[in-house]
Amino acid sequence: KNEVEQSPQNLTAQEGEFITINCSYSVGISALHWLQQHPGGGIVSLFMLSSGKKKHGRLIATINIQEKHSSLHITASHPRDSAVYICAVSPFEGAQKLVFGQGTRLTINP
Amino acid sequence: GAVVSQHPSWVICKSGTSVKIECRSLDFQATTMFWYRQFPKQSLMLMATSNEGSKATYEQGVEKDKFLINHASLTLSTLTVTSAHPEDSSFYICSAARDSPRGPQHFGDGTRLSIL
Repeated sequence: KNEVEQSPQNLTAQEGEFITINCSYSVGISALHWLQQHPGGGIVSLFMLSSGKKKHGRLIATINIQEKHSSLHITASHPRDSAVYICAVSPFEGAQKLVFGQGTRLTINP
Repeated sequence: GAVVSQHPSWVICKSGTSVKIECRSLDFQATTMFWYRQFPKQSLMLMATSNEGSKATYEQGVEKDKFLINHASLTLSTLTVTSAHPEDSSFYICSAARDSPRGPQHFGDGTRLSIL
């Protein structure tokens, strides 16, 4: 079992729909990251959070440390949101490297 | 915001060629940079952690003589794929940690390497 699990692996929705991507992890962490990988391969860091909730534009990220769970929400989704969304954690133990989920491929149809 | 530039973005070359990929932090100093490899439809795999002025720390299974990493300054790390073969064809991407190794990581746009 992977230390970081995302669901769903693939998600297709219509423009305007509310999107939720989930991430569960099994190790103690100092922070959780949500990343967006565009079709061309480039990666953008969306959020880094260790508690509570963060909002940036139409994106909202929440984390529940006790339940070891995080969600990424997209409101009023748009075709340009189509990308792979990756959850990654910074474990307490060991080196500074990130541990990645397998990603969620999101497709928003017009 | 923090910008990381990776060059080149696409390389096609013959088997046996050595290929150098550069990763630059343009507007901040990065004491730690990370090199990842990604196969199609798979997640990022950390290859090595590069610290300025010291030897890189390689992940298990990554050949240090095959993938040479140099982090000569606080704004530049390079990855050289020596004597590349078709199985080295992949997407390579770097990231730089701005404030601390455990802080937010800023990613380059990646290099798509194709070895013929």
